[in-house]
Amino acid sequence: NAGVTQTPKFQVLKTGQSMTLQCAQDMNHNSMYWYRQDPGMGLRLIYYSASEGTTDKGEVPNGYNVSRLNKREFSLRLESAAPSQTSVYFCASSKTGSTEAFFGQGTRLTVV
Amino acid sequence: DQQVKQNSPSLSVQEGRISILNCDYTNSMFDYFLWYKKYPAEGPTFLISISSIKDKNEDGRFTVFLNKSAKHLSLHIVPSQPGDSAVYFCAASINDYKLSFGAGTTVTVRA
Repeated sequence: NAGVTQTPKFQVLKTGQSMTLQCAQDMNHNSMYWYRQDPGMGLRLIYYSASEGTTDKGEVPNGYNVSRLNKREFSLRLESAAPSQTSVYFCASSKTGSTEAFFGQGTRLTVV
Repeated sequence: DQQVKQNSPSLSVQEGRISILNCDYTNSMFDYFLWYKKYPAEGPTFLISISSIKDKNEDGRFTVFLNKSAKHLSLHIVPSQPGDSAVYFCAASINDYKLSFGAGTTVTVRA
């Protein structure tokens, strides 16, 4: 049982480059999330999706777009990467209405 | 402005002793609180939670206490074990599934 799988685990981008972070879950959860973790800041919600076909902004959505491709997959896109987006990104999923989320292992992104 | 605050970035405790982690929040509308544990290079994992209608919840060695009037919760780990060395995040939500996280407390259990 893989749970929540994120790819890639590490990535270095140059300023202005674009990339997509992939996330897939096999727990049949309706809700999926993208968080970023920065030193001294905890985890901050970027976007979430309550169900397939729906997405909504979280606390720090600027500079990001998301796609809920199907029930399993929720991707995060950086159209033009900036050094301020250097962070560790976590994808998570949960049952509808539950805050007990299951997290992936994270993607460490560095923008130079 | 962070609505959930963990003011102690680190805690060192001897094996077998009690670990007490504290968390304060500013939004009185929060109605559900959780603790997550995170090891290096892994994602956070759910540890224990408490609803605002309760003041205590216990699960094995882990107990969470909620003081709504003080907007404060704490996590007690008794007895502390070396495998408890990790970063602990406090989180809170308002009637939905969007969590607000604290900055985390790094716990080191000394042998």
